Amino acid sequence: DVKVTQSSRYLVKRTGEKVFLECVQDMDHENMFWYRQDPGLGLRLIYFSYDVKMKEKGDIPEGYSVSREKKERFSLILESASTNQTSMYLCASIPRGEGQETQYFGPGTRLLVL
Amino acid sequence: SQQGEEDPQALSIQEGENATMNCSYKTSINNLQWYRQNSGRGLVHLILIRSNEREKHSGRLRVTLDTSKKSSSLLITASRAADTASYFCATDAGTGGFKTIFGAGTRLFVKA
Repeated sequence: DVKVTQSSRYLVKRTGEKVFLECVQDMDHENMFWYRQDPGLGLRLIYFSYDVKMKEKGDIPEGYSVSREKKERFSLILESASTNQTSMYLCASIPRGEGQETQYFGPGTRLLVL
Repeated sequence: SQQGEEDPQALSIQEGENATMNCSYKTSINNLQWYRQNSGRGLVHLILIRSNEREKHSGRLRVTLDTSKKSSSLLITASRAADTASYFCATDAGTGGFKTIFGAGTRLFVKA
């Protein structure tokens, strides 16, 4: 079974703090994703990475950055947290290859920015 | 704007009844997926249907796809209290690649 883990289930941070959200997958997947989930808006893609050190902006990258130094780990960074970044953050991964569409999700990190 | 939009937004049924959720999308797709999310957890993949398929079954799940109407439905038969969750449809962007676009979801509540 694919396992995707996220470093924290709940986080409380203050406005202006730098926040790191970590995601680790154990199935050697090339592609990894960060989403945020807000009520009524579904999942919105923040960033994705298709290989080590490679990254692409998603639909809502503003205020975020990412790091992929190792294949199994994809980090989401909030450079200066703001209250409008209070949300549920979900990490997912997919292996590379034809017909690979199913995303494997982590349990999510619920972030509250005060 | 969202590619997939689910209908209804919320659904409450009795245990044993069938639950039907609908999804509409806007652009051509290669495949459509349904995911489930238990409260406060990550999403779990349920079923994938490709654009050349019309119907697919998996256990108590039945998915249909009508590409002419750009719509899909998820039917859960003989629902159980444990089926209480949010259900999301997700489509590819239709242009290749692995970007997946999720709808806002249907919240299903199954009363015991």
